[in-house]
Amino acid sequence: AQSVTQLGSHVSVSEGALVLLRCNYSSSVPPYLFWYVQYPNQGLQLLLKYTTGATLVKGINGFEAEFKKSETSFHLTKPSAHMSDAAEYFCAVSEDGAGSYQLTFGKGTKLSVIP
Amino acid sequence: DAGVIQSPRHEVTEMGQEVTLRCKPISGHDYLFWYRQTMMRGLELLIYFNNNVPIDDSGMPEDRFSAKMPNASFSTLKIQPSEPRDSAVYFCASSFWGAWADTQYFGPGTRLTVL
Repeated sequence: AQSVTQLGSHVSVSEGALVLLRCNYSSSVPPYLFWYVQYPNQGLQLLLKYTTGATLVKGINGFEAEFKKSETSFHLTKPSAHMSDAAEYFCAVSEDGAGSYQLTFGKGTKLSVIP
Repeated sequence: DAGVIQSPRHEVTEMGQEVTLRCKPISGHDYLFWYRQTMMRGLELLIYFNNNVPIDDSGMPEDRFSAKMPNASFSTLKIQPSEPRDSAVYFCASSFWGAWADTQYFGPGTRLTVL
C-alpha cells in the first residue's frame, strides 16, 4: 500500500529565503509523485509532478522537486520565497498497476512567509 | 474552460437533514473524484467515477453517503441523514484519463457545517 509522510505541518520562512518542504513516500512499485498547492478557500492545483525520466522536475511559480529513489523522497524547493507562496502544500503518490486507481495525499504542510 | 464547478460553496444544516452537494467536471474529462478534507484525517478519497460509472466507493464512510453521476457533466454527493461529524470541506476533482500519472483538477470545494 502506498503512503505519504510530510515532515512538518507548519513551516515558516522569511521572504527571500529558501523554501524546503519535505515529502517521503512508501510504494511497492515505481511511483508517480505530485505536489499540489492549496490557497485559502480554494481547491488544490498542481504545482508539479514526476512520472518518468528526469528526476529533477520543475513546476509553476519557480518551484522544483527532485525524486530520489534511494531516499524515497520528493522534497519541494524554491530558492527565494515570496509572500504569495503562503499556502498549504500537499505531496501525493499514485501507483501504476492492477487494481483501483488511487491518489494518496500527505497531511499537508502550511507555509508561512514572513516579511 | 471554467474549471470544475461546485455548489454550494457553503452549506450549514442541522443534524438529521439531507445534504446534496453538486459538481460539474471539466468538459471532456472522463474521471470524477469526490474527496473530503478534515483537520484530523486530511484529504480522503470517497468515490470516483469513470464515464459516469462508479469504480471505487470504498472510501465512502457509511451508508448515509451516496453519490451519483447521471451524465458526463453532473455529479452529486448526498448525505442523509447528516451528522455533526460530517462537517468538512468536500472537493470534487476531474481528470482526462484517470491514469496514475494524470493530473486531477479540483473544484473550489463545499464547506459543510452540520449543527
